[in-house]
Amino acid sequence: GQNIDQPTEMTATEGAIVQINCTYQTSGFNGLFWYQQHAGEAPTFLSYNVLDGLEEKGRFSSFLSRSKGYSYLLLKELQMKDSASYLCAAAKRGSQGNLIFGKGTKLSVKP
Amino acid sequence: NAGVTQTPKFQVLKTGQSMTLQCAQDMNHEYMSWYRQDPGMGLRLIHYSVGAGITDQGEVPNGYNVSRSTTEDFPLRLLSAAPSQTSVYFCASSYSIGQQETQYFGPGTRLLVL
Repeated sequence: GQNIDQPTEMTATEGAIVQINCTYQTSGFNGLFWYQQHAGEAPTFLSYNVLDGLEEKGRFSSFLSRSKGYSYLLLKELQMKDSASYLCAAAKRGSQGNLIFGKGTKLSVKP
Repeated sequence: NAGVTQTPKFQVLKTGQSMTLQCAQDMNHEYMSWYRQDPGMGLRLIHYSVGAGITDQGEVPNGYNVSRSTTEDFPLRLLSAAPSQTSVYFCASSYSIGQQETQYFGPGTRLLVL
């Protein structure tokens, strides 16, 4: 089967660090996407991890463990504008744009 | 580059009407996809295409048709609209280099079926 789980909602404080977890069970797994989606807008690409380990891009980092079927998105120095939904999506080997999405984690950043 | 464009932004249909949601990309991406997004359901794949002339079904294809006559365009047709098709529709285009993939979404079409 195919399943992607992530928490429904999270709250964090401005300036803090937050980690959003994602677990997946996908046959023929190739890599893991993270997207940010503000209310009423389209998802925007944050990262795509294929190899195990941490990839850092400014305030955002994404981690993948293929053996554990686990990924997380780490957001540092949180800003109010980071309040959004964060979507985790698995790509299958040779998926060619065919992604399996989790239901998203709604992050609220409070002053 | 305009990226991925979708028209219309909003549409209201009556049950039984048909319409076409337009999607175009100017990045010369091979792969294009259509998703729908419903509250509490996440994004679900409707149809996708790996190149001009090639399409395939995703998770929720019933009630929708697609075609891909050019690399740039990937329209989604609703044959006979039903209230269950009320949703936000996103088109996406993507490319891969080796194992790396990047996928970009259009701004979405908000559809209400009465």
